[in-house]
Amino acid sequence: DGGITQSPKYLFRKEGQNVTLSCEQNLNHDAMYWYRQDPGQGLRLIYYSQIVNDFQKGDIAEGYSVSREKKESFPLTVTSAQKNPTAFYLCASSRTGVNYGYTFGSGTRLTVV
Amino acid sequence: GESVGLHLPTLSVQEGDNSIINCAYSNSASDYFIWYKQESGKGPQFIIDIRSNMDKRQGQRVTVLLNKTVKHLSLQIAATQPGDSAVYFCAVIEGMNRDDKIIFGKGTRLHILP
Repeated sequence: DGGITQSPKYLFRKEGQNVTLSCEQNLNHDAMYWYRQDPGQGLRLIYYSQIVNDFQKGDIAEGYSVSREKKESFPLTVTSAQKNPTAFYLCASSRTGVNYGYTFGSGTRLTVV
Repeated sequence: GESVGLHLPTLSVQEGDNSIINCAYSNSASDYFIWYKQESGKGPQFIIDIRSNMDKRQGQRVTVLLNKTVKHLSLQIAATQPGDSAVYFCAVIEGMNRDDKIIFGKGTRLHILP
């Protein structure tokens, strides 16, 4: 079955550490997205990519970085510059553009320890 | 720009009753609307969608109503069951362009009372 896989499900980060969240899809979707979800808030867009080797900043890109070397993969790095990284991170993919809706991964919960 | 809001952050419904969850949007050019269900600790799941050329669409136990005049969207769940407990949020897309972004509402948490 096709789908989108995020790993790990839970991740703990020490102060000053960079961590990378994995997102892989086998849906042959061109576009991929990273969102951050905090309690009581809607989804906030971090980065998105419409095509391999190209990506754009979303609304809250500071302290994050991404790469899109393969169509199937869109990893997110949470850098030490992100001062409040504790959150639930969601990866999504869609067919070209957004007009077909998103398929979401199951999320990664990142906690700073 | 587009903004999307929900009328109630929490909704409690008796098991077996119908649930109605509402969403309002600001941009009259919005073209495509989606409802998602998110269970605790999981990613959102697609429930049902509707395009702006329709005002009603039905799925299994769910109906989406679109009122473009007042820019209002609702999700109706018939005969609510315990498994319907989740956060429901709407998503709105403006236009048909490649670079159009999807705007998500903050969500309504649906509680099922026994």
